[in-house]
Amino acid sequence: AQSVTQLGSHVSVSEGALVLLRCNYSSSVPPYLFWYVQYPNQGLQLLLKYTSAATLVKGINGFEAEFKKSETSFHLTKPSAHMSDAAEYFCAVSTGTGANNLFFGTGTRLTVIP
Amino acid sequence: DGGITQSPKYLFRKEGQNVTLSCEQNLNHDAMYWYRQDPGQGLRLIYYSQIVNDFQKGDIAEGYSVSREKKESFPLTVTSAQKNPTAFYLCASRIAGGPADTQYFGPGTRLTVL
Repeated sequence: AQSVTQLGSHVSVSEGALVLLRCNYSSSVPPYLFWYVQYPNQGLQLLLKYTSAATLVKGINGFEAEFKKSETSFHLTKPSAHMSDAAEYFCAVSTGTGANNLFFGTGTRLTVIP
Repeated sequence: DGGITQSPKYLFRKEGQNVTLSCEQNLNHDAMYWYRQDPGQGLRLIYYSQIVNDFQKGDIAEGYSVSREKKESFPLTVTSAQKNPTAFYLCASRIAGGPADTQYFGPGTRLTVL
């Protein structure tokens, strides 16, 4: 079975500081992992995804994530936070079998302090 | 422009009424999904469809129904049997390929029961 755990439902950082959002996964098959961002009252937008091609994945808006099999982690980082990064972030894992549905974490709300 | 549209953006319902949420995509995607989003709970899968005239229950299908008569359309009906329907509903679609394929999301419909 597949699942993801996002540590910290709320994260606050100062503008210009490092952003680190944590995601740990559990998967019985090689995982395919995704990070999505959601702005208030909007749908989800894909930031990046891991497809086994490279362990360090670069996405949009300066975000990147590193797949670490030994730690079963896929943490999202950005070197310098911008006010526009304030949003909710979701980590998801593909079931990898059958319908290949996504299983989402509970989300992390990022606040950026000016 | 290709994309997913959901209507209406806001919907108010009286208790005991059925309501139907619209989801249309022009991405030529095979698979479509309905999720429910509640604060602090992430996204939970209601129904999904991998092909026209076929659909499967997700994790929280009770009180909901769907149809898939056309590839482009996947309407969701929230019935009076759904005891707590107030939530944000998101529709998504993807090419029914492998586990690394991205799900693309619509802008969502916020349903409030009065």
